[in-house]
Amino acid sequence: GQNIDQPTEMTATEGAIVQINCTYQTSGFNGLFWYQQHAGEAPTFLSYNVLDGLEEKGRFSSFLSRSKGYSYLLLKELQMKDSASYLCAVRVSGSARQLTFGSGTQLTVLP
Amino acid sequence: GAVVSQHPSWVICKSGTSVKIECRSLDFQATTMFWYRQFPKQSLMLMATSNEGSKATYEQGVEKDKFLINHASLTLSTLTVTSAHPEDSSFYICSARRDSSPYEQYFGPGTRLTVT
Repeated sequence: GQNIDQPTEMTATEGAIVQINCTYQTSGFNGLFWYQQHAGEAPTFLSYNVLDGLEEKGRFSSFLSRSKGYSYLLLKELQMKDSASYLCAVRVSGSARQLTFGSGTQLTVLP
Repeated sequence: GAVVSQHPSWVICKSGTSVKIECRSLDFQATTMFWYRQFPKQSLMLMATSNEGSKATYEQGVEKDKFLINHASLTLSTLTVTSAHPEDSSFYICSARRDSSPYEQYFGPGTRLTVT
């Protein structure tokens, strides 16, 4: 089975940088995804890592270490609209290539 | 591209009735779609994997006779909640997988089901 851990809540200030960590234990690892989800809405894709290292995409960056079973999402220059739940999801190998989601980290950006 | 729609966006039904939720991939073909359920302040839980032309694969603990899934075409999967109860009230989200895309899963906007 899969086990994915991430902090339940985080708070940061507008303009700051925040790092959301995710650790996972899984068999047949085939990629790690980060999604943003605002309340009552579907998740939207932020980033995808399958190899070790950092992927940068504007204000968002995601890092992966497969040997450590660890990833983080880095958000820079925080804006109020970044207040949302951030979901870490692991994809497993196989024909279906399902995603298993972590419990999500609720980020609150304060003025 | 890669738009997924769901219908209805919200529905209220009485206990004991059945509700059908549709998931459509609007501009691509999806041999595989996924159905998730999300309770308030919780993460998405995979309910089942829907495969075009074959039976769905249900996750452990999900009753296949209660949550009927039909994937009759490459662009449409339906989830029917049969004999709904108040504890079935939840946010149901589908996603569709496009094999040509490395990111694969595109999520629909979700359906809010309330059973009274």
